[in-house]
Amino acid sequence: EAGVTQSPTHLIKTRGQQVTLRCSPISGHTSVYWYQQALGLGLQFLLWYDEGEERNRGNFPPRFSGRQFPNYSSELNVNALELEDSALYLCASSLGRYQETQYFGPGTRLLVL
Amino acid sequence: KQEVTQIPAALSVPEGENLVLNCSFTDSAIYNLQWFRQDPGKGLTSLLLIQSSQREQTSGRLNASLDKSSGRSTLYIAASQPGDSATYLCAVRPYGNNRLAFGKGNQVVVIP
Repeated sequence: EAGVTQSPTHLIKTRGQQVTLRCSPISGHTSVYWYQQALGLGLQFLLWYDEGEERNRGNFPPRFSGRQFPNYSSELNVNALELEDSALYLCASSLGRYQETQYFGPGTRLLVL
Repeated sequence: KQEVTQIPAALSVPEGENLVLNCSFTDSAIYNLQWFRQDPGKGLTSLLLIQSSQREQTSGRLNASLDKSSGRSTLYIAASQPGDSATYLCAVRPYGNNRLAFGKGNQVVVIP
């Protein structure tokens, strides 16, 4: 069974640009989570989608947004990139909103210059 | 707000020694606690998940304990091997919430 997949693996952008990251959950999983792992800050919760709806949002500005598609894949969009957005962005999925275990993808490493 | 702390931040041990990694959390109203492994630049691999009603979980050389009332969990890795070198992350899931709160990790190096 394929795990959570993310694309692209690496990305370099400049300040002010916009970026879209993609995540495909494990087949049959309906919940998708996004986390940011910036250097020195640890993993921070960004967004949670379930059944196409945004269910919860972390303490991030509105320029971080996303969506979930009918096939449960998800996109994370970051507008007006800032240097401190440089981080590893991890996507996770779970079988449903009440399932305990979140399975993580390999991440997308974003560098903002 | 849930705060998760992992001590020590980094440690090195000779091969064969037992590893003891500590995690503490400030709010005991948790649904479960999970230990993950992260290799450099990679995603997370789930190691053990302990429900709030459980005291410990074991998988092979790994054993994790949970003392919810004191807000502590410990991950034991028996007879460490160089392949155990990685960062180990502790995460708690609060009641009524699917967002995991992570510690900053224990970076482990096992010296051959």
